[in-house]
Amino acid sequence: NAGVTQTPKFQVLKTGQSMTLQCAQDMNHEYMSWYRQDPGMGLRLIHYSVGAGITDQGEVPNGYNVSRSTTEDFPLRLLSAAPSQTSVYFCASREQGPSSRAFFGQGTRLTVV
Amino acid sequence: AQTVTQSQPEMSVQEAETVTLSCTYDTSENNYYLFWYKQPPSRQMILVIRQEAYKQQNATENRFSVNFQKAAKSFSLKISDSQLGDTAMYFCAFMRLYQGGKLIFGQGTELSVKP
Repeated sequence: NAGVTQTPKFQVLKTGQSMTLQCAQDMNHEYMSWYRQDPGMGLRLIHYSVGAGITDQGEVPNGYNVSRSTTEDFPLRLLSAAPSQTSVYFCASREQGPSSRAFFGQGTRLTVV
Repeated sequence: AQTVTQSQPEMSVQEAETVTLSCTYDTSENNYYLFWYKQPPSRQMILVIRQEAYKQQNATENRFSVNFQKAAKSFSLKISDSQLGDTAMYFCAFMRLYQGGKLIFGQGTELSVKP
């Protein structure tokens, strides 16, 4: 099983550039979410989705867009990258049900210069 | 809004000894889950242990156990017989029941196990 696959693993962007972080899961999970990890701040929720066609904002959504056209994919778009978006990004998925565990991707280290 | 606080940014322990990592949280909810995740240098997020708030019994997974104090909103992780492979960042996390998988994380505690 591939689990949750994030691409790319590393990326350097120039300020103002746009890009999409890809996230795919092969476990047919309904719930998917994006987090960013910054030193001393833990992981903070950017956007999440409870199923195809349904997305909502998390704690730090500004500067990011998401869409969920299929159950498998949940891409995160940076429309105009800023140095403040330098971070490590994690995608996670979880099946419905209160006792199910979350599965995380390997993370993407993004640097905006 | 829920918050999770880990007040120990760094800790160290000698190999084979026991260490306890602290976590407190704030919520008005009665039904929720608490988690400890381990993040080694590989960056992978690994679930260590999970506690359901409605269960009074503390969760245990091999050398890892928790002390869950619901009234005090405290959720500490005890690692017994520490091993070098336990060196990692540890995150405490909170999830409301039926919240679409939304996890709220603490700031993390960096644990070093010394030989």
